[in-house]
Amino acid sequence: DSGVTQTPKHLITATGQRVTLRCSPRSGDLSVYWYQQSLDQGLQFLIQYYNGEERAKGNILERFSAQQFPDLHSELNLSSLELGDSALYFCASSSWDTKPAGYTFGSGTRLTVV
Amino acid sequence: AQTVTQSQPEMSVQEAETVTLSCTYDTSESDYYLFWYKQPPSRQMILVIRQEAYKQQNATENRFSVNFQKAAKSFSLKISDSQLGDAAMYFCAYRSPGIQGAQKLVFGQGTRLTINP
Repeated sequence: DSGVTQTPKHLITATGQRVTLRCSPRSGDLSVYWYQQSLDQGLQFLIQYYNGEERAKGNILERFSAQQFPDLHSELNLSSLELGDSALYFCASSSWDTKPAGYTFGSGTRLTVV
Repeated sequence: AQTVTQSQPEMSVQEAETVTLSCTYDTSESDYYLFWYKQPPSRQMILVIRQEAYKQQNATENRFSVNFQKAAKSFSLKISDSQLGDAAMYFCAYRSPGIQGAQKLVFGQGTRLTINP
């Protein structure tokens, strides 16, 4: 157990639908990052939140949105789903300090759009 | 923007041998951090090793070591005494210095490592 919890682990849904992916960061970590990994591809950065505020945005589609709640858990909302949105979605957390700590990744949510 | 390039989509090595995975990056920053992550078939992202750019000494973690060439912007991973459990996708990643809230990881495309028994 990495300490970062992602639910659900698997999700199958139809095109045009909306889903919500949830992430609970490691205890004490204030930053949450969302990444998308399509089949046999690298991880593409989507968005980052720090203590409830959006801090960095990557190649996130307008159909996608995210938020971080006061208890620091985060949700990634994907709407008007397309076949191409099928991917593994990772959440990672890190603590805010100057140490070059790495990032702790959750086990991911595998989204299949049919 | 920073970019990370892994020029070897696939590599293979005989068990117990040594293999080196390549990574280059592009940045205008002088202080940053570099990582190698391993992604086995379970798809879990596992930190293998990290390197601070201000440190000249190459990082080592047991059988894993890096060759960090700052001027050349190169960061290769050497795996010694390869084991079957090392078979995985390996990702090189770059992290900017500690600007509050702007510390995302930028990943390369990965190198798939196969270990031949």
